[in-house]
Amino acid sequence: QSALTQPASVSGSPGQSITISCTGTSSDVGRYSYVSWYQQHPDEAPKLMIYEVYNRPSGVSSRFSGSKSGNTASLTISGLQTEDEADYYCSSYASSGILVFGSGTTVTVL
Amino acid sequence: EVQLVQSGAEVKKPGESLKISCKASGYTFTTYWIGWVRQMPGKGLEWMGIIYPRDSDSTYGPSFQGQVTFSVDESISTAYLHLSNLQASDSAMYYCARHVGGRYSLVGVDYWGQGTLVTVSS
Repeated sequence: QSALTQPASVSGSPGQSITISCTGTSSDVGRYSYVSWYQQHPDEAPKLMIYEVYNRPSGVSSRFSGSKSGNTASLTISGLQTEDEADYYCSSYASSGILVFGSGTTVTVL
Repeated sequence: EVQLVQSGAEVKKPGESLKISCKASGYTFTTYWIGWVRQMPGKGLEWMGIIYPRDSDSTYGPSFQGQVTFSVDESISTAYLHLSNLQASDSAMYYCARHVGGRYSLVGVDYWGQGTLVTVSS
């Protein structure tokens, strides 16, 4: 099972919106609505930002939103802030009964 | 408040074995799958697998099958990751992670431990 494909880096200016893609296959992202997104700041543990494609856990800013189309899921960060600078990972359940992570995207706030 | 507290950093020599612990609190330990995630230096997250504390039913990620072992001690709400015959390539941060969903409907990870840094060096 290969990692889901994410762009290595995405950047934007404060206040802008950016979108991170997460491309899988018909055996994972395309088949299930079990896509989650995580934020990881340097030297910290990851934090859940989105689950089941578009749901936000309590306490996560509404600036973060998720969507899915076919084999590709997306995370959009609106009103980009300096604190959003971090690595972001997606994950999806796969039909082989496992969880697979994305390759990770570094978000830079210009 | 849900918390996963892992054991401290370890320095090991090649060929040695290691057991990392993850103590859960703030929820009923036996009702959630708990798993492990590896992050090698400067790299991404790798899913190692999960264990169900109620019956120790386990699923291992393809890259880790036969390489690692999971166990739990229900009496103290603690999960363990067993690593044997350590090599330099096992040097990484290891996270325990509470999973949401069932074995065949894993939603993802909602809580993470703080991580345990393992360094393997002669």
